[in-house]
Amino acid sequence: QKEVEQDPGPLSVPEGAIVSLNCTYSNSAFQYFMWYRQYSRKGPELLMYTYSSGNKEDGRFTAQVDKSSKYISLFIRDSQPSDSATYLCATKDRSGTYKYIFGTGTRLKVLA
Amino acid sequence: ETGVTQSPTHLIKTRGQQVTLRCSSQSGHNTVSWYQQALGQGPQFIFQYYREEENGRGNFPPRFSGLQFPNYSSELNVNALELDDSALYLCASSLEGGSNTEAFFGQGTRLTVV
Repeated sequence: QKEVEQDPGPLSVPEGAIVSLNCTYSNSAFQYFMWYRQYSRKGPELLMYTYSSGNKEDGRFTAQVDKSSKYISLFIRDSQPSDSATYLCATKDRSGTYKYIFGTGTRLKVLA
Repeated sequence: ETGVTQSPTHLIKTRGQQVTLRCSSQSGHNTVSWYQQALGQGPQFIFQYYREEENGRGNFPPRFSGLQFPNYSSELNVNALELDDSALYLCASSLEGGSNTEAFFGQGTRLTVV
């Protein structure tokens, strides 16, 4: 079982739709969770960073962590064609190293 | 703009050759991590340097090696290149050891092994 599981998509939605992206993780010791956006042939760009359970909002983006079910989500409101990218969820393993463990990424296409 | 730069952006090498990839971290960051991202996959942890010492290694063979320098630069060296080493190589810069902070990635070096 992978430590972080993510549906690779692709996911196509019309402009203006609410997008829901999800990941599950296996290790209950994980406490830090990140969402990165990656455009084609570019490096990942940090979108959201959350600690433990709860919600965090930043503009059109909301990150949600449910530690009881080991489930993390990213919601994008009023999606735009410029949101078309791959979205990577990640958690931080602080047991010795400070490495990040990534999901496979979900490809999102927002249609104009 | 993350303040993390990598060079070169693209590279083509022949199987069996050696390659050195470079990364310049954000000023003040004490930790650099290297990741390999194959097409359609998430980044996989190669190794990490914390204050110029190796601080953990992923499931990669010893022909993957690295260095971190005091001037916030670092290197990833790969010997005896194999076709499967073709990937996007990412470095990530962070400040660790105190309150938790996030990592910032460079734009990556796309390595093609032929």
